[in-house]
Parts: sequence; C-alpha cells; structure tokens
Amino acid sequence: GQQLNQSPQSMFIQEGEDVSMNCTSSSIFNTWLWYKQDPGEGPVLLIALYKAGELTSNGRLTAQFGITRKDSFLNISASIPSDVGIYFCAGHPDPNAGGTSYGKLTFGQGTILTVHP
Amino acid sequence: NAGVTQTPKFRVLKTGQSMTLLCAQDMNHEYMYWYRQDPGMGLRLIHYSVGEGTTAKGEVPDGYNVSRLKKQNFLLGLESAAPSQTSVYFCASSTTGFKQYFGPGTRLTVT
Repeated sequence: GQQLNQSPQSMFIQEGEDVSMNCTSSSIFNTWLWYKQDPGEGPVLLIALYKAGELTSNGRLTAQFGITRKDSFLNISASIPSDVGIYFCAGHPDPNAGGTSYGKLTFGQGTILTVHP
Repeated sequence: NAGVTQTPKFRVLKTGQSMTLLCAQDMNHEYMYWYRQDPGMGLRLIHYSVGEGTTAKGEVPDGYNVSRLKKQNFLLGLESAAPSQTSVYFCASSTTGFKQYFGPGTRLTVT
C-alpha cells in the first residue's frame, strides 16, 4: 500500500523555538492534511492543502504542499507549551495517478512534539 | 452540533468475547471510517463507508465487521476478540472524503 514517511519521529524543543516537520510519499497525492492529537483525544484537523505549491497558514502554523506533489511540510513558529502533542500528516492519493477515489487517506506515523517551558 | 461521538470510551474484553462500537455523526456526512491506532503505527484504516448501506474493507479488516444501516451511524463489530485487537479505535466522517473529522476514540483492552 501507500507509504508516508514522516520526520522527525520526535522533537524536544524550548518554548519560543520554531518547529519544522515533513512528510514524503512514494506516490503523487492530490491532497495533504495536517492533524494534531492531544493525549487521550482524537486527531484534530489543522490545515488542508489541495494544490501543488500551496502555502496555507492557521495562526502560528504554516503548511506547504510540495511542488513534486510527493511531500508536505508543517512549520510552527514561536512554540508554546500547548503545542505539545502528536502531529500527523495525511495524504489522499491522486485518482488520476492510480490512487483510489473513495477518500481513503494514508497517514504518517506521527511526530511527537515536546515543548519545555 | 456534537460532531463525531463514539460509544463506549473504554472497554475491557476477555479473549473470545464480542462487542460493538458505535460511531455517530450529526454533520450529514456521506463518508465514515473506522481506524485503529497502535503505538508507532499511526492510524490504520479498518473499514469505511461511502454512504448509507455501503461498506468496504480498508487496510486491516480481518477480525472486524461493520454496518451502516443509517447515514449518521457506523458500527464496528468484533465477533471473537483477540489480544491483538487491543488498541485505540477512532471513527471519522467526511463530506468529501478528504477532510476527515475524528471522534474522541474508544480504548479497548482484550485480555
């Protein structure tokens, strides 16, 4: 099946630092999504990207849809303690490139973010 | 508007017992999904539905069955629970199949 490689697996940062994480795929995606999961909760959608090269912000979060359509990036600026959690990327394979058209997302393994006050 | 709700929140089963997990959404979404989440494995799709009365297999369907008799509900059944099914189960729904909205999860332990 589809594989998404998300990196880094974990990050330990100081409050106020910027954070970057990324996902790469072995195939072309037509949608990229970024989710955050707090401990004991379900994933919450942060940002959705639909077009190669697209750059979208949500507060201190900025995500980009890679030009190759095989990768995506998430940046968090000026981190705060409540940014702690697991961040997941997810992608929808391009049905015109052999992917399914039934909205089946492929998820990365997650990046565990720890922010030290 | 409650979004996606899941029942129960926690459950402990003995090997061989059966149970049904209920997912309900009030957003009139066509697509619904069941995932399991295990440490280091991310989210893996068990079964999904593209509309009332339809179901399809995902990545890890063995040992599970599903039904979507009503548009707002998606049930996940375990007929004979095994320790390997100890996991956190998430339901999600979507109007387009792309932006999926998740429930709070059900923590299942099979002893």
